[in-house]
Amino acid sequence: QVQLVESGGGVVQPGRSLRLSCAASGFTFSSYVMYWVRQAPGKGLEWVALISYDGSNKFYADSVKGRFTISRDNSKNTLYLQMNSLRAEDTAVFHCARERGYYALDIWGQGTMVTVSS
Amino acid sequence: QSALTQPPSASGSPGQSVTISCTGTSSDVGGYNYVSWYQQHPGKAPKLMIYGVSKRPSGVPDRFSGSKSGNTASLTVSGLQAEDEAEYYCSSYAGSNNFVLFGGGTKLTVL
Repeated sequence: QVQLVESGGGVVQPGRSLRLSCAASGFTFSSYVMYWVRQAPGKGLEWVALISYDGSNKFYADSVKGRFTISRDNSKNTLYLQMNSLRAEDTAVFHCARERGYYALDIWGQGTMVTVSS
Repeated sequence: QSALTQPPSASGSPGQSVTISCTGTSSDVGGYNYVSWYQQHPGKAPKLMIYGVSKRPSGVPDRFSGSKSGNTASLTVSGLQAEDEAEYYCSSYAGSNNFVLFGGGTKLTVL
């Protein structure tokens, strides 16, 4: 079935790096714009980054610009988020999601927890 | 840019209707017909309920409907059922600098 499965979360010290992965299955991954969206504990949703079908266009929220890099490998049906210079305020569940058009996200992964703490 | 504004809570009895608002600006909600609504149960991933202001994905009951007037979008849930109790988030395209803004979320309680 159509699904997204994130991995790579964990506990990391401030200033360190982490790379998240999102494995897609059940649909033609290369045909969709993909997003990362995060949710801090007890808080709302925040858009983090998005990447075009072929990876040629990437956009970031101001809060992560210059620190995070979104990428994809369509041959492996996998989306990535490289997170550098992590801060305590980056602590959140990170979801990958598929855009169905209209900037609407119709398929979401369960998320992977990232905790930034010393 | 600030998040879209939603009331923190809403409630209704089974069978009743409830409407949740989502207020933005002319640069987001008012400027584009790209408002979406998501339902999130505790510990679960968000689920798309409405997109393009008023369109329903397949499988979403027609008890859920969306609309927009000016800079405010609304989600109406008719014939409330116990399983509708959840957090609801709106989102809107906000231009090529901010792309997607989310609301702060509304906790819907079915009394």
